[in-house]
Amino acid sequence: QKEVEQDPGPLSVPEGAIVSLNCTYSNSAFQYFMWYRQYSRKGPELLMYTYSSGNKEDGRFTAQVDKSSKYISLFIRDSQPSDSATYLCAMGVTGNQFYFGTGTSLTVIP
Amino acid sequence: DVKVTQSSRYLVKRTGEKVFLECVQDMDHENMFWYRQDPGLGLRLIYFSYDVKMKEKGDIPEGYSVSREKKERFSLILESASTNQTSMYLCASSAGLYNSPLHFGNGTRLTVT
Repeated sequence: QKEVEQDPGPLSVPEGAIVSLNCTYSNSAFQYFMWYRQYSRKGPELLMYTYSSGNKEDGRFTAQVDKSSKYISLFIRDSQPSDSATYLCAMGVTGNQFYFGTGTSLTVIP
Repeated sequence: DVKVTQSSRYLVKRTGEKVFLECVQDMDHENMFWYRQDPGLGLRLIYFSYDVKMKEKGDIPEGYSVSREKKERFSLILESASTNQTSMYLCASSAGLYNSPLHFGNGTRLTVT
């Protein structure tokens, strides 16, 4: 079993839709959680970062962590064509141990 | 904002060549990392460094070496490039504290022919 599971998609939604991206994990030692956005041929860009259960909001993005269920989500409200990218979840144990999902490809159709 | 800069966006090298990939970060981060990213395989850790002149092997170190002579700079070396090393290479850094996230550079797309 992989440490981090992420549905690869692809996911296609109309502009303005609410997008839900999810990851599950098996290791209860994971302490903090990140979401990255990666455009084609670019490096991953840190979108959201949290180390506690609950919700964290930043503009149109909300990260949700449920440590008891070992489940994290990223919600994108009012999705835009510019949100079309691959979204990676990542989990950290210490400052130098990270585990990644394989990424979900999202297309927002105008 | 953290900036991680990789010296080349695209590189084309021949089999057997020695290849250097350079990375610089501007936030005084303790940790630096080299990953490769391949379709269907995700991100795989090659090496990381937690201090100057210190290095640790990641999941796929074979065929690679690294150098960290200054805190802000981390180099990946392909001793003798092979076609199976064609990939996207990503450098990253983190502050080294607990709960500090990774910050990535824009990647180097290396093609070995």
